[in-house]
Amino acid sequence: RKEVEQDPGPFNVPEGATVAFNCTYSNSASQSFFWYRQDCRKEPKLLMSVYSSGNEDGRFTAQLNRASQYISLLIRDSKLSDSATYLCVVNSGGTASKLTFGTGTRLQVTL
Amino acid sequence: DTGVSQDPRHKITKRGQNVTFRCDPISEHNRLYWYRQTLGQGPEFLTYFQNEAQLEKSRLLSDRFSAERPKGSFSTLEIQRTEQGDSAMYLCASNPTGGRGNTIYFGEGSWLTVV
Repeated sequence: RKEVEQDPGPFNVPEGATVAFNCTYSNSASQSFFWYRQDCRKEPKLLMSVYSSGNEDGRFTAQLNRASQYISLLIRDSKLSDSATYLCVVNSGGTASKLTFGTGTRLQVTL
Repeated sequence: DTGVSQDPRHKITKRGQNVTFRCDPISEHNRLYWYRQTLGQGPEFLTYFQNEAQLEKSRLLSDRFSAERPKGSFSTLEIQRTEQGDSAMYLCASNPTGGRGNTIYFGEGSWLTVV
């Protein structure tokens, strides 16, 4: 079983739609959680950290459920520019940032 | 540009040749990481340095791979006797000790194609 699992997609949604991505992780000792965005043939870039209380950044909302070992990302009012791969990321590495990435979920927003 | 810098950005090499990638981290970041990403997969951890000390290596880092950070600033990743399976994007990242939420900052990556 992979340490971080995501549905690879692709998710094809029209502009303006709301889309949700889910992710599960296997290591209950994991300490930090993130969503990264990766455009085609580019490096991953931090989208947002994920906290147990849930957090929001504009159109993006992230949730963490430690009991279920489940992380989610909600994108409201999708834009064409949101088209990318979204990587679920877990840090189980103690003091260092030894991040474990999911395979990513590809999102394509269309007109 | 004060981000993580990697060189070369693209490298095509014949099987069996050696290649070396260089990474210059964000200034004053004392932690430096190497990851590898193959098509359709997320990045996979290879190794990390705190200053000049290599503190952890993944089992993915076979004996053909060696990484150094001699002065605690830039780092090199060398692959000896390359194989076609080494074709991937090699990503370098850095962060300071105790960085906010342990976020790491990636360079643009070095693409390796072994033919």
